[in-house]
Amino acid sequence: GAGVSQSPRYKVAKRGQDVALRCDPISGHVSLFWYQQALGQGPEFLTYFQNEAQLDKSGLPSDRFFAERPEGSVSTLKIQRTQQEDSAVYLCASSPRGRSMNTEAFFGQGTRLTVV
Amino acid sequence: AQSVTQPDIHITVSEGASLELRCNYSYGATPYLFWYVQSPGQGLQLLLKYFSGDTLVQGIKGFEAEFKRSQSSFNLRKPSVHWSDAAEYFCAVGALNNDMRFGAGTRLTVKP
Repeated sequence: GAGVSQSPRYKVAKRGQDVALRCDPISGHVSLFWYQQALGQGPEFLTYFQNEAQLDKSGLPSDRFFAERPEGSVSTLKIQRTQQEDSAVYLCASSPRGRSMNTEAFFGQGTRLTVV
Repeated sequence: AQSVTQPDIHITVSEGASLELRCNYSYGATPYLFWYVQSPGQGLQLLLKYFSGDTLVQGIKGFEAEFKRSQSSFNLRKPSVHWSDAAEYFCAVGALNNDMRFGAGTRLTVKP
């Protein structure tokens, strides 16, 4: 597609439920980022992939969060045993080159997760 | 690690008035600086970026920003605001091989 696509757009989960959020980056983009944006806050970095390799997961808030990009294109962010504090918008971004800031990252519209 | 401060949580301006959104960063070396805009329910759109060179950067939609190293600032400006500019604006700082850090954002309201 023309841009970064995320699905679902909205997800309501009961506390304790597992969720999976999908990101389709721009075709051919090397880098893929996940961010978490709490209400009224700026995006916070979660994890980074270069192709299929997860090179940085320092932002993942707990071991309940897991991300993968097995074929270097589509990525899935999984949250196990969701808690209310996981409620946020999860943003995915991709960029055409490796992890250098000398390039633009293109963002998807995000998935709004609400844990009830 | 780098960090960003956007001192103004919410700004209201009249349509046609000028706009300046403040951004201060903290980083030990020359930073890469960005301004993004986010409309309700939308992803982040890049307005402009600074990597090096001319400290006055032109972006899309008539926006510009000026990098001032002495003040650690990268303020966003627009000479005449349009109603469609109402949105959330985020300043971000990045470093080579490091992740971007975003400010908390400034919400812009445009009065008719």
